[in-house]
Amino acid sequence: EDKVVQSPLSLVVHEGDTVTLNCSYEVTNFRSLLWYKQEKKAPTFLFMLTSSGIEKKSGRLSSILDKKELFSILNITATQTGDSAVYLCATDDSWGKLQFGAGTQVVVTP
Amino acid sequence: GAVVSQHPSWVICKSGTSVKIECRSLDFQATTMFWYRQFPKQSLMLMATSNEGSKATYEQGVEKDKFLINHASLTLSTLTVTSAHPEDSSFYICSATKGAYQETQYFGPGTRLLVL
Repeated sequence: EDKVVQSPLSLVVHEGDTVTLNCSYEVTNFRSLLWYKQEKKAPTFLFMLTSSGIEKKSGRLSSILDKKELFSILNITATQTGDSAVYLCATDDSWGKLQFGAGTQVVVTP
Repeated sequence: GAVVSQHPSWVICKSGTSVKIECRSLDFQATTMFWYRQFPKQSLMLMATSNEGSKATYEQGVEKDKFLINHASLTLSTLTVTSAHPEDSSFYICSATKGAYQETQYFGPGTRLLVL
């Protein structure tokens, strides 16, 4: 059975800290892995990772995929209170179907 | 751009009534649209995949007679929750892709449904 597992489920950090979120997967017909940020609305897209070992960066966020070990990490450096959200990892198969992990709730305190 | 809208953004209804939610791609033609449901503090769960002009494909455990999906045009898909009950209260989100098997799904803002 396909599954996407995120860890930790939640964490609380202070502003300025760095956080690392994990996502492991076992999915047939894997095509890509995506990260989303969800506040109180629908998810907003962060990254799509297709190739192993190539880091993608956007400001203080970065992500990398390991297709051999079947996991991805999302890093957030110098966290700000505006980074507080649920971060979702999802895998995309060759049919375009997304399977989401349970999410990691990040709380950044001032 | 790739903007997806949903209407209404929230709805409250009585138990037993039917509720229709619209999902529109505003600036592109959406060959495929997806419907998700998200319960509080849980992740998004795919309900069904709909392709324009054909019947929707429902995920296991999703009742097709209860959640009617119509994708009559390349810019509009509708989800109708028939005879809604309190347990159907949830956050319903649609997404759309620009072409067949395209990788990027563009999400709508979601519709919060509360059934009393």
